[in-house]
Amino acid sequence: EAQVTQNPRYLITVTGKKLTVTCSQNMNHEYMSWYRQDPGLGLRQIYYSMNVEVTDKGDVPEGYKVSRKEKRNFPLILESPSPNQTSLYFCASSREGTGIWEQYFGPGTRLTVT
Amino acid sequence: KNQVEQSPQSLIILEGKNCTLQCNYTVSPFSNLRWYKQDTGRGPVSLTIMTFSENTKSNGRYTATLDADTKQSSLHITASQLSDSASYICVVSVRSNYQLIWGAGTKLIIKP
Repeated sequence: EAQVTQNPRYLITVTGKKLTVTCSQNMNHEYMSWYRQDPGLGLRQIYYSMNVEVTDKGDVPEGYKVSRKEKRNFPLILESPSPNQTSLYFCASSREGTGIWEQYFGPGTRLTVT
Repeated sequence: KNQVEQSPQSLIILEGKNCTLQCNYTVSPFSNLRWYKQDTGRGPVSLTIMTFSENTKSNGRYTATLDADTKQSSLHITASQLSDSASYICVVSVRSNYQLIWGAGTKLIIKP
């Protein structure tokens, strides 16, 4: 089954404790992206990757890191989480980053930082 | 500034009724417009993608329209079902860099 998977689905952590949220897709997509969603706001892009070893900042990259060493994986790293990073996070992928390719989203990771 | 605004913010209708959701955008240059359905706590799922030259596109009971001159789009839902309860999000792609500009969504509740 074609899908985007994220782990963990739920995470409660404390300020400053490094964490990684994994994202994997099995559709051989070139483009992958991370979003955060907060109440009353549209999805905001954190980072995106047009292909392996190519990553770029989105609208709200501060406090986050990513890497794209393999085509299928795009982990999101919070080196020193803070309470304002409490949010619902989505990973997405599409065949390419240009044109009108449909984006497929993962199930989401709900992160709480205390 | 590139923006996407949706109305209403929320809407409650009875099962079986029709409804129309609105999307206005100020994105330039325009590439395409997408409508997504997002169930609570889950990832968005694509309903339609329309380019500049398309003014209507259907996906089952969902019909999206696009007026590129007035920069408006609508999503019409026919014969609503309880499973249509969700947030509906309008997204516009910028042609120069393919950035996606997301609306805040319309929360639709279908009551039996």
